[in-house]
Amino acid sequence: GIQVEQSPPDLILQEGANSTLRCNFSDSVNNLQWFHQNPWGQLINLFYIPSGTKQNGRLSATTVATERYSLLYISSSQTTDSGVYFCAVVDQTGANNLFFGTGTRLTVIP
Amino acid sequence: NAGVTQTPKFRILKIGQSMTLQCTQDMNHNYMYWYRQDPGMGLKLIYYSVGAGITDKGEVPNGYNVSRSTTEDFPLRLELAAPSQTSVYFCASSYSHSNEQFFGPGTRLTVL
Repeated sequence: GIQVEQSPPDLILQEGANSTLRCNFSDSVNNLQWFHQNPWGQLINLFYIPSGTKQNGRLSATTVATERYSLLYISSSQTTDSGVYFCAVVDQTGANNLFFGTGTRLTVIP
Repeated sequence: NAGVTQTPKFRILKIGQSMTLQCTQDMNHNYMYWYRQDPGMGLKLIYYSVGAGITDKGEVPNGYNVSRSTTEDFPLRLELAAPSQTSVYFCASSYSHSNEQFFGPGTRLTVL
């Protein structure tokens, strides 16, 4: 199946700092989603972004499908942003599942 | 809309017991999925369904069974529970395979 790599694996930020998370994938995709898994284990949909740029408050995401990567930007980070951020993709082979990366664990300290 | 709901939230099983994890969606989505998440990992697909009466295996189907008798419901059955099935189970749904998937809150299962 398609390979999904996320970087960095771990990130520690001071509250108020900005960050960029990266997702590289090995093949063309039909779907790309970013999720935030909070400390209670809940998966929260952040963006559905197979291509282009989207913004939602302090978060924005850009996917460059032709170069097989996506970026998630977090600005003015807050302690509630802590958790694990997952990138997941559906490839174009007809597979019907999201392939998940191993995530970036973000810790925001006050 | 409640979205995707799952029951129970937590469960402890003894080795060899069986149980059914329930999943319901009220978005009239055709596609439904079961994933499992092991500690420190991303999610992996167990089974999926593209519509009522149609199911197929994902990456890690061994030890599980599913059925899809209605559009709304997609239960996951564990027969003869094993410690390797200790995991968090997520159900998801989408309109089609390339559309956004929406996830339920998860079921945390421990097999002792």
